[in-house]
Parts: sequence; structure tokens; C-alpha cells
Amino acid sequence: NAGVMQNPRHLVRRRGQEARLRCSPMKGHSHVYWYRQLPEEGLKFMVYLQKENIIDESGMPKERFSAEFPKEGPSILRIQQVVRGDSAAYFCASSSIRAGYEQYFGPGTRLTVT
Amino acid sequence: AQTVTQSQPEMSVQEAETVTLSCTYDTSESDYYLFWYKQPPSRQMILVIRQEAYKQQNATENRFSVNFQKAAKSFSLKISDSQLGDAAMYFCAYTGSGNTGKLIFGQGTTLQVKP
Repeated sequence: NAGVMQNPRHLVRRRGQEARLRCSPMKGHSHVYWYRQLPEEGLKFMVYLQKENIIDESGMPKERFSAEFPKEGPSILRIQQVVRGDSAAYFCASSSIRAGYEQYFGPGTRLTVT
Repeated sequence: AQTVTQSQPEMSVQEAETVTLSCTYDTSESDYYLFWYKQPPSRQMILVIRQEAYKQQNATENRFSVNFQKAAKSFSLKISDSQLGDAAMYFCAYTGSGNTGKLIFGQGTTLQVKP
């Protein structure tokens, strides 16, 4: 039973480029969460999605960031016109049920903006 | 808004000894869940232990146990018989039953295990 998969594991982008981060949840999980971890800090919630729906995006920056979880395929976190401050580790987690149940994390994508 | 605080940036323990990591939280909800996650150098987030607020009994998973004090809003993690593989960053996390399930994390505690 494969765990949460994220790709790429490492992504380097120049300032102004776009970054696309992918997350495939565990089999049977329909809830996906994205978190960001800045260096030497804890994880910060960004967005919560179910299939074809954004449920909670209260942690997403208002501009340049978007997320989707289509009916088919992985969840995508998209960052347009990246800046140096976007450099961080981005983690995806999935859950079979909403609150209170374990979220299983992927290995993360480390984004470096040069 | 809910907050989670870990006041110990770094801790160290001798191999085979016991160590306790502290965590406090603030919430107005009565029903919620608390977690401890471990993040080793690989950066993979690993769930260590989970506690439901409505349960008075402290959760235990092998060498890991918690001391959950609901009135004090305290949720500490005790690691017994520490092993070299326990060296990692440990994060305390909260989620309320009334929200969307998002986890609110503390700042983390780096645990060093000395041989």
C-alpha cells in the first residue's frame, strides 16, 4: 500500500518562473492538505482540498499561489512568478476522514528559488 | 485562534534514559485532537502518537507516552529508553473537531540522543 507520494522531491526555479508541485494521496484517501515549512520553523497550513473542491484555503497567500485536486490525477500546488521567499519545503498530507484522524505525510518537495 | 507552543527549542538525553518534551496549546474548543510528529533528518513527517481530548486516559505507543492535562492545556511527550534513532525534530500539533481538520503545529523541539 503506497504512501503519500510527492514529486519532484527537489525543484529549483529562477525568480519569476512557475513551480508545480504534485501530490498523490494514499489509496482510499480523499482529503488532501498542503503545508509549508520554512527553514528552522514548524509546518504552516496552506490549503485543504477534497476531490474537485477547495474546502479551506485560509493559509494560502492571496496572490501567486493556487491549488487543485481534480477528479482524476494528483493534487497540484502551483506557485506563479516565484520569489526567493518561496524557498521552503512543501508537504502534502492525506487523510481518509476529516478532523481528528491521522494525516499521513509525503516526503515533501524542497523548492529552491535562485 | 488556536495556538501551539513548544518552549524547548533543543533537548538532549543519554541513550537508554527518559526525556520529556513539553507542549502547551490554547483553544476555546472542548473537543479536539492532539498529535506528536517526528521529523528525522530525512524530513519525512512521522506520526508518533495521537490523543483525543475527550479521553482521560493518556495515550501510549511502545516507548512513547503522553501526559495530557486538559485543564492546564498541556500535552507533553515522554520517551522512555531513548535510542539513537529517536534523534529528530519533534512537533506537537492540534486540530479541532469544529474546523476543517487542518493541523496547527508548534515550533518544534530538536532532540539529541547521546551514546
